[in-house]
Amino acid sequence: AQSVSQHNHHVILSEAASLELGCNYSYGGTVNLFWYVQYPGQHLQLLLKYFSGDPLVKGIKGFEAEFIKSKFSFNLRKPSVQWSDTAEYFCAVSDSWGKLQFGAGTQVVVTP
Amino acid sequence: NAGVTQTPKFQVLKTGQSMTLQCAQDMNHEYMSWYRQDPGMGLRLIHYSVGAGITDQGEVPNGYNVSRSTTEDFPLRLLSAAPSQTSVYFCASSYRMNTEAFFGQGTRLTVV
Repeated sequence: AQSVSQHNHHVILSEAASLELGCNYSYGGTVNLFWYVQYPGQHLQLLLKYFSGDPLVKGIKGFEAEFIKSKFSFNLRKPSVQWSDTAEYFCAVSDSWGKLQFGAGTQVVVTP
Repeated sequence: NAGVTQTPKFQVLKTGQSMTLQCAQDMNHEYMSWYRQDPGMGLRLIHYSVGAGITDQGEVPNGYNVSRSTTEDFPLRLLSAAPSQTSVYFCASSYRMNTEAFFGQGTRLTVV
């Protein structure tokens, strides 16, 4: 069965620290990849997406992600986090047949 | 821009009651979907629709019905609410099934 795995369920870090969230998927063919963010009490918003082309994707708010096809990974990074980055982050994958499959999410808490 | 609009935002039901969660989008998207979000489980697909008159089951369809009479609207019906359906429900729409999904604000449902 197709699956999306996020490595960490909870991450706590200080402001200005670097953030990297892991995401691996089990789809074998062409995939579209997404990272969504959910701020406390809000709906999911798109951070960035990868369909094709440059495997290093830049999104909003200083986030970026790298698609490594050989590792079936799409890790999210931010060089220096802020308190406002406290949120839950979801990796999502769709293949050519459609339907987004979400990971379980990573709760990120940034302390002042 | 309204985007995806869900109502209500909060609802408390008694076991056995029925209700309909409303979802409307104004982006002329063909694809719409309903997810439930539970702690530690990410978002799980309940039902989806690839266009007016066409619906299909997702990962967790039991206890829910949907219909799609227009491109804009995609209501989710709970036929006989159960405590296991306590969750946060999100409606989403996208241009195609495997492209970026736009989410509504969510409905927090409690079944007592």
